[in-house]
Amino acid sequence: AQKVTQAQTEISVVEKEDVTLDCVYETRDTTYYLFWYKQPPSGELVFLIRRNSFDEQNEISGRYSWNFQKSTSSFNFTITASQVVDSAVYFCALSEAEYGGSQGNLIFGKGTKLSVKP
Amino acid sequence: DGGITQSPKYLFRKEGQNVTLSCEQNLNHDAMYWYRQDPGQGLRLIYYSQIVNDFQKGDIAEGYSVSREKKESFPLTVTSAQKNPTAFYLCASSIDGSENTEAFFGQGTRLTVV
Repeated sequence: AQKVTQAQTEISVVEKEDVTLDCVYETRDTTYYLFWYKQPPSGELVFLIRRNSFDEQNEISGRYSWNFQKSTSSFNFTITASQVVDSAVYFCALSEAEYGGSQGNLIFGKGTKLSVKP
Repeated sequence: DGGITQSPKYLFRKEGQNVTLSCEQNLNHDAMYWYRQDPGQGLRLIYYSQIVNDFQKGDIAEGYSVSREKKESFPLTVTSAQKNPTAFYLCASSIDGSENTEAFFGQGTRLTVV
């Protein structure tokens, strides 16, 4: 069965520290997509990144970087030099190409609440 | 500005009453979704629609109903049959509902049963 696990429920860091948010997934499909979303206190989810199952290159966008490893079924997210504005709940999600009638539907992890203190 | 508008932001309902949550998008997206979020939980899919006049049940559809009469609108009705309706509800849309397209979310409606 497909599943997304974010084992870290809450993380608290001090500004300028680096922090890594873990995401482990399970899927029976060979073609799938992984996503990260940010949910600030305002409530709406903001898309951060999409990665397909055939592209294992790491990606960097400013202070954000993502490490995708198929061998360990992980898609971890690192924030370098964290800032107070990074405080939010972060969700990892999986979308499968072949599974039943839910193509395109996102399977979410439970989220990790990140608090960055000044 | 293009986006998804959910209303109201906060909603209070008495037990036994039906209530409808509004979701409108002006992104010209074909697919729309409703998710429920409970504290400490991820988002769970209630209903989704990939085209006008068609919709499918998600993982937790019991006690909910939807309609998709217009491309831009996907209202969700929380019926009295929903045993525990207090939650945060998020509406989303994507271009075509395919697995490689990101979803865009509204700001959510917080429903409280009193």
